[in-house]
Amino acid sequence: EIVLTQSPGTLSLSSGERATLSCRASQSVTSRYLAWYQQKPGQAPRLLIYGASNRATGISDRFSGGGSGTDFTLTISRLEPEDFAVYYCQHYGASLYTFGQGTKLEMK
Amino acid sequence: QVQLQESGPGLVKPSQTLSLTCTVSGASISSGGYFWTWVRQRPGKGLEWVGYIFYGGSAYSNPSLKSRVYISIDTSKNQFSLKLSSVTAADTAVYYCARDHDGFYYGIYYWGQGSLVTVSS
Repeated sequence: EIVLTQSPGTLSLSSGERATLSCRASQSVTSRYLAWYQQKPGQAPRLLIYGASNRATGISDRFSGGGSGTDFTLTISRLEPEDFAVYYCQHYGASLYTFGQGTKLEMK
Repeated sequence: QVQLQESGPGLVKPSQTLSLTCTVSGASISSGGYFWTWVRQRPGKGLEWVGYIFYGGSAYSNPSLKSRVYISIDTSKNQFSLKLSSVTAADTAVYYCARDHDGFYYGIYYWGQGSLVTVSS
């Protein structure tokens, strides 16, 4: 069973800065099935990135995903106040979904 | 536009069975090979995949939940349901029903608003 480990646990940045979030898989995974989500308090998650690097419908181009094998990143180029939230990576494989434990992006 | 809405008891006693239903609008539950999915989130914790079912196929669930999960589809009502047996306080969570999207490689795109279920006597 694949384990996804996200780092850092908490990231403190200011608006306008660049955020880089990491997701590491316990074994090599298919990039096609790696996704990223944003979740704000009291809301359902929102799909940001699918297939490791493709933005979902309506997602700002400030969000970009990359990586392959075991190491994946979500980058937010210029933080806006609405970007401060919790971010999760997720993988689908062997008929199972797996989520990372999340990275909280907080305002410095 | 696909919309999902969870419904069910907000309070369940320990050792009993948690039952939730997800009503789907804007799409037919019997069309396509979509993954009709349940995800939960314990208070203050991260997302945990519970399981999914696809019409005409099988259901899969999180191995950590062992054999306590049962997911089914009711095409006549355009709903799918979750049953989680032998619940404990650790099953207290917000339960989301959700679905993937064509071409998004199993990314979960459509989400319900979530339903808080508390396990307590």
